Amino acid sequence: KAGVTQTPRYLIKTRGQQVTLSCSPISGHRSVSWYQQTPGQGLQFLFEYFSETQRNKGNFPGRFSGRQFSNSRSEMNVSTLELGDSALYLCASSLAGQQETQYFGPGTRLLVL
Amino acid sequence: QQQVKQSPQSLIVQKGGISIINCAYENTAFDYFPWYQQFPGKGPALLIAIRPDVSEKKEGRFTISFNKSAKQFSLHIMDSQPGDSATYFCAEGAGNMLTFGGGTRLMVKP
Repeated sequence: KAGVTQTPRYLIKTRGQQVTLSCSPISGHRSVSWYQQTPGQGLQFLFEYFSETQRNKGNFPGRFSGRQFSNSRSEMNVSTLELGDSALYLCASSLAGQQETQYFGPGTRLLVL
Repeated sequence: QQQVKQSPQSLIVQKGGISIINCAYENTAFDYFPWYQQFPGKGPALLIAIRPDVSEKKEGRFTISFNKSAKQFSLHIMDSQPGDSATYFCAEGAGNMLTFGGGTRLMVKP
């Protein structure tokens, strides 16, 4: 069974630009969560989508947004990039209501210059 | 702000020894306490998880001990191996929304 796929794996942007990251969950998984990982703040929850609806949201500014499509694939968007947005963005998928089935993808490493 | 305090930040253990990582949580509403293992360049991988109605859970060389009254839980890695060298994260969660500890970088010396 294929794991969680994230594209692109690496990305370089400049301040003020916007970026879109993509996540394809494991087949059959309908819940997709996004996390930001930085050396200073660690792993922080961004948001969770289930059946195309945002179910939970972390404490991030409105520049961070996401969506989920009918095939459970998800995208997250960061607008007006800041230097502090440089991070590893991780996507995790799981079966509905089964936390122990949550699997993380390899992440997208974003560098903002 | 971090609501799960994890210690130590780094740990060096000899091969065959026991690695112990501790976490303290604040939010008693959460009902799911997993441990994740992360290797460089990879996403975190679920290692073992426990719910607060159980005081201990063992899977192979990995054991979680859970102390509900003290609001603490710990990971014990028995017979630690060099391949266990990685960063370990504890977390607390409700549903799929996890709050992670700061991580412990474990190095197991051959």
